[in-house]
Amino acid sequence: DTGVSQDPRHKITKRGQNVTFRCDPISEHNRLYWYRQTLGQGPEFLTYFQNEAQLEKSRLLSDRFSAERPKGSFSTLEIQRTEQGDSAMYLCASSPPGLAGNEQFFGPGTRLTVL
Amino acid sequence: DAKTTQPNSMESNEEEPVHLPCNHSTISGTDYIHWYRQLPSQGPEYVIHGLTSNVNNRMASLAIAEDRKSSTLILHRATLRDAAVYYCILRWDTDKLIFGTGTRLQVFP
Repeated sequence: DTGVSQDPRHKITKRGQNVTFRCDPISEHNRLYWYRQTLGQGPEFLTYFQNEAQLEKSRLLSDRFSAERPKGSFSTLEIQRTEQGDSAMYLCASSPPGLAGNEQFFGPGTRLTVL
Repeated sequence: DAKTTQPNSMESNEEEPVHLPCNHSTISGTDYIHWYRQLPSQGPEYVIHGLTSNVNNRMASLAIAEDRKSSTLILHRATLRDAAVYYCILRWDTDKLIFGTGTRLQVFP
């Protein structure tokens, strides 16, 4: 399968714990995005990388959230000291080099439940 | 960012055409109109996009009003697999997608 993959698919954690999610984009896609989606809402943009550079961060990304893409390939999203409000689906997407308006390819998401 | 307005839900019968409307009265001259859809328990997937002219691809057609203040996504023959939430998004030279709440399409056999 050559699509965007995310790991884990599901994560249940207790409030106050740290969690880390991984996203593997489609090979040769230099742009990578993180979104968050809560029940009944559309996805909300969190952050965006072009290669290893983090070019934009949403105000939704509090200081408890950090994202990295160290070698311009896979990316990780870490949430420290999780809160119940962090429960959501975390989606990763990638797009190829070229026009900024290129199609984004989404992964299946990681569903986080904070107890 | 320019905003879009879509009906919360629509219904269709299988094998009938479906017209999903989107209003974007504050669209700027350089905004592209993108459509994505999200099937149950999956990430969104690209459907189609356009600027001024109507567009067709294997999934759907996009009809854009002459003044560009509205557009319609057309599924020519709905199938049960087309049941999803459809998002209309305006996008100009910005990499992020700004989703609204979309239109939930139900397809009945």
